[in-house]
Amino acid sequence: AQSVSQHNHHVILSEAASLELGCNYSYGGTVNLFWYVQYPGQHLQLLLKYFSGDPLVKGIKGFEAEFIKSKFSFNLRKPSVQWSDTAEYFCAVNGPNSGGSNYKLTFGKGTLLTVNP
Amino acid sequence: NAGVTQTPKFRVLKTGQSMTLLCAQDMNHEYMYWYRQDPGMGLRLIHYSVGEGTTAKGEVPDGYNVSRLKKQNFLLGLESAAPSQTSVYFCASRLGGAAYNEQFFGPGTRLTVL
Repeated sequence: AQSVSQHNHHVILSEAASLELGCNYSYGGTVNLFWYVQYPGQHLQLLLKYFSGDPLVKGIKGFEAEFIKSKFSFNLRKPSVQWSDTAEYFCAVNGPNSGGSNYKLTFGKGTLLTVNP
Repeated sequence: NAGVTQTPKFRVLKTGQSMTLLCAQDMNHEYMYWYRQDPGMGLRLIHYSVGEGTTAKGEVPDGYNVSRLKKQNFLLGLESAAPSQTSVYFCASRLGGAAYNEQFFGPGTRLTVL
């Protein structure tokens, strides 16, 4: 079964610091990769996704992520965080695309980001 | 478009009581999902549906039942609630077809079982 690991449980940064959140998945075949964000008290919203092509994908609010197939990784980055980026971030993987598994997402346990003003 | 809506937003139950959570979507999505979110556990899939009249078990289905009688609605039932079912429940939906179609989430239902 697919598994997703997010290395950091809680990250604390100051405004303007750079951010990188790690995400690794277990399956080596064709996958679709997602980052979702959950602001305090709200539902999950899509930040960005990768399914093919350029391994560097750009999302909303200045976030980007790089898919490195050889490392089974899909790390999220932002060059300069803001206080409003305080939220929980979830990496998710859809795959392998067979046997009905492509219907489902496997989520990591999430990384809580706190940005201090 | 309202997107994905969930009712109720909050509920407190006593052990052994039953209840139904309703999820509705107005995006004509084929697939619908129920997750539970617990601190430090991420989101875990309870049940899902790939079309009207069809349902399937997810990662943590025990103690829950679901029904998808209409394409736009996906109901999650707890027949005999237990304290271990205290959680935040999220519904999601997505288009069928390509696996890269993202899921859209509802606002959640916070359930406490005493």
